[in-house]
Amino acid sequence: AQSVSQHNHHVILSEAASLELGCNYSYGGTVNLFWYVQYPGQHLQLLLKYFSGDPLVKGIKGFEAEFIKSKFSFNLRKPSVQWSDTAEYFCAVITYGNNRLAFGKGNQVVVIP
Amino acid sequence: GAGVSQSPSNKVTEKGKDVELRCDPISGHTALYWYRQSLGQGLEFLIYFQGNSAPDKSGLPSDRFSAERTGGSVSTLTIQRTQQEDSAVYLCASSPEGNQPQHFGDGTRLSIL
Repeated sequence: AQSVSQHNHHVILSEAASLELGCNYSYGGTVNLFWYVQYPGQHLQLLLKYFSGDPLVKGIKGFEAEFIKSKFSFNLRKPSVQWSDTAEYFCAVITYGNNRLAFGKGNQVVVIP
Repeated sequence: GAGVSQSPSNKVTEKGKDVELRCDPISGHTALYWYRQSLGQGLEFLIYFQGNSAPDKSGLPSDRFSAERTGGSVSTLTIQRTQQEDSAVYLCASSPEGNQPQHFGDGTRLSIL
């Protein structure tokens, strides 16, 4: 079964700092990749996705992620965070022929004003 | 437009009781998923419905768990003889087709006393 790894579960940073969250998956076949965000008290929302094409994908709120196939990675980045980016971020993978999402454990990000 | 609707939002029950959780997906979405979110386990896949096909039940943790999807729309997740380890947030998601981004509901927070 595929697995998804996210490191540094708790991240604390100041406004305007840059954010990078790592995501690695263990599956050698075709994958669709996602980052979801859960703001306090809200449901999971799609931040961005990669299906094919340009490995650098841009999502909402200034987030972007880069798919590096050789490293089985899909890291999330934002150059300058805001207080409103305080949330939990989940990386998720769907493998070809298997439509369930496999989630990482999540990164709890706290942005200090 | 209307998103994925789940009810109840909170459920507290005694160990050994049966519970039913309801999910109303986005209109027109053929794929419906149930996940469980708990401390220490993260987000786990439970079951997946796609149109009229037989559901993928491979994520159900025990035979106390079952789910139905009537008329290709509303789904009910039933947990019989609840145990304390069943305490979690149960999330429902839907998507237009199997490998498309999933839209999540707010979840049902289940607490077993």
